Amino acid sequence: AQKVTQAQTEISVVEKEDVTLDCVYETRDTTYYLFWYKQPPSGELVFLIRRNSFDEQNEISGRYSWNFQKSTSSFNFTITASQVVDSAVYFCALSEAGMTTDSWGKLQFGAGTQVVVTP
Amino acid sequence: DGGITQSPKYLFRKEGQNVTLSCEQNLNHDAMYWYRQDPGQGLRLIYYSQIVNDFQKGDIAEGYSVSREKKESFPLTVTSAQKNPTAFYLCASSIAQLEQFFGPGTRLTVL
Repeated sequence: AQKVTQAQTEISVVEKEDVTLDCVYETRDTTYYLFWYKQPPSGELVFLIRRNSFDEQNEISGRYSWNFQKSTSSFNFTITASQVVDSAVYFCALSEAGMTTDSWGKLQFGAGTQVVVTP
Repeated sequence: DGGITQSPKYLFRKEGQNVTLSCEQNLNHDAMYWYRQDPGQGLRLIYYSQIVNDFQKGDIAEGYSVSREKKESFPLTVTSAQKNPTAFYLCASSIAQLEQFFGPGTRLTVL
């Protein structure tokens, strides 16, 4: 069963518009980590943020902000005043912190959302 | 600079050949991972290693092999048993279950 769902395949915006990327996850673990990664055209994945399941505080970093809601199992990502350099594929990922060998450290990635920012 | 390096950046393989992709990290991370990414797709885990001299199969290990003889190195061999190896391969490392840091990737093409 898919554990991380990114329903938006592609989002196109004009520069300076805000864009919100949705991420819905599924897990039975009470302790887990959520991540967002950016993959620009070069291909390398760039780590953006980690959120611990016990920490529901929203976070802002420059033009980036994240909204974590355990009640709806969502971890959404907003880019404010988008720029052309934000064009990339963005991945949401889940790591279950269970102590069994089967789940340890394994990242479950969503399918990714392609963001296209045009001037 | 600390980071993860992968080589080569581009690799071409003939049918029936084994090829080895290199992954080196100087972040002093215990855990290392190999992922495969197909065009327009997410990442799928091939193998991972929590510690030196130990590794486990991921979701798509068939046709691949790895070794972890040194903490810094986690090479991946794509064997002739892998029927559709053309893909983008990403290596990553982490401290335990925290965020994984990725290398620049290797694009493998079967001729």
